[in-house]
This record gives sequence, structure tokens and C-alpha cells, in this order.
Amino acid sequence: DSGVTQTPKHLITATGQRVTLRCSPRSGDLSVYWYQQSLDQGLQFLIQYYNGEERAKGNILERFSAQQFPDLHSELNLSSLELGDSALYFCASSVGQKITDTQYFGPGTRLTVL
Amino acid sequence: AQKITQTQPGMFVQEKEAVTLDCTYDTSDPSYGLFWYKQPSSGEMIFLIYQGSYDQQNATEGRYSLNFQKARKSANLVISASQLGDSAMYFCAMRPPGGSYIPTFGRGTSLIVHP
Repeated sequence: DSGVTQTPKHLITATGQRVTLRCSPRSGDLSVYWYQQSLDQGLQFLIQYYNGEERAKGNILERFSAQQFPDLHSELNLSSLELGDSALYFCASSVGQKITDTQYFGPGTRLTVL
Repeated sequence: AQKITQTQPGMFVQEKEAVTLDCTYDTSDPSYGLFWYKQPSSGEMIFLIYQGSYDQQNATEGRYSLNFQKARKSANLVISASQLGDSAMYFCAMRPPGGSYIPTFGRGTSLIVHP
């Protein structure tokens, strides 16, 4: 158990819908990262937050948005869902932002768009 | 641009044997970090080991060691005394230096440990 929690574990929805994925980092970790893992794209970094502020943006679509709240939990919002958005979405956390900071991944949320 | 290549889509090893999972990388940055993660069938990503580009010694964590050859730009993961529970996908990843964090992951290697 990494200490990072993600809810829900599974999510099935229809095209065009909007969903929210939630992540609670390990106690004491200030950085939260979101990743998308799909069969065709592999593991892709989406976005990073540090202590409530966005710090880095990767391959995140404009239909997707995220935020980190004062209690440090984070939410990833996916809207106008398409079939290709079906994937495993991971959240990870680390103490800081240093290159030496280990990231601890949560169990993931499996999103299926029908 | 950074690139991670894992050339072995699948590997088989017998229990108690050692196995090496290959990872090569490409970057123009002199400072970077290399990571290995394990993803069992349950899906979660488990951090295994980290190597900094300026680290003089190869990283080790229990049965995991990283064979870091900077000149060859390779960061192979060595698992000693394989166990059945080591069966999983293994991902090599690179992080750039500085505050801009955008990691690059390899496509992964599927390891199967058989008795």
C-alpha cells in the first residue's frame, strides 16, 4: 500500500459525459501528479500540482482539467468524454519537487467510456 | 527531447534465477533521474529504484539493482533471486532536472517468473 488513495476504482460512462476522479496523496506529500495509461499511448504524464499550484503540464487535453485543494487532495475532471479516453488514470504523490523525490503511485481509476 | 526505449516486450525467468530488464535512454541534459516501476496485474505502479545521473555508484534496493552505464546511456534493472511475485510489467522512466517535471516512460517489459 503506497498511501495514495484514488476513488473510484472503476468508472463506466458514456461518450459526451463528464467525470471526476479523486486522489488523496500520502500524508505529508505536497506534490500530486496525474497520469494516463492506455494500450496505444502507454503511460503519459498529464499534469503536476505542488501545494495547490500547477507546476507542470504534459499531454493533457483541453477537455481535461485538474486542481489541488487546500487539504492537498486533487481532482481530475474529464469532460466531453470520447471512446479514446478509456484508460487507467493514476495519481502519484511526492514530498516535494526535487528530481530525487520518489513518487508513490495510487492504485488507479479504470475509466471505460462506452 | 527525451526518449526511453525498452526493447524487450516480454521476458521469462525461472524462479530463483537472476534477470536483467533492459532500458536505454536518450537525452541532451547532463542532469537527469532514472526510475524503475513495477506494475502487477492489480494495476498499481510500485516504485522500485532510482538512479541520479551524477550518482557515482549503481543504485541498489534489496533484490533490485540498477546497472547504470552512462556512456552507453543504459539503465538496466537487475532482479536477483526471482520470485513468483515478481511477475509483472516493469517500466523504466526518466525525469529531467530542474523544476519543470515532465517524465518520459518506456513501453514496459512484461516479466513472467515460472517455477
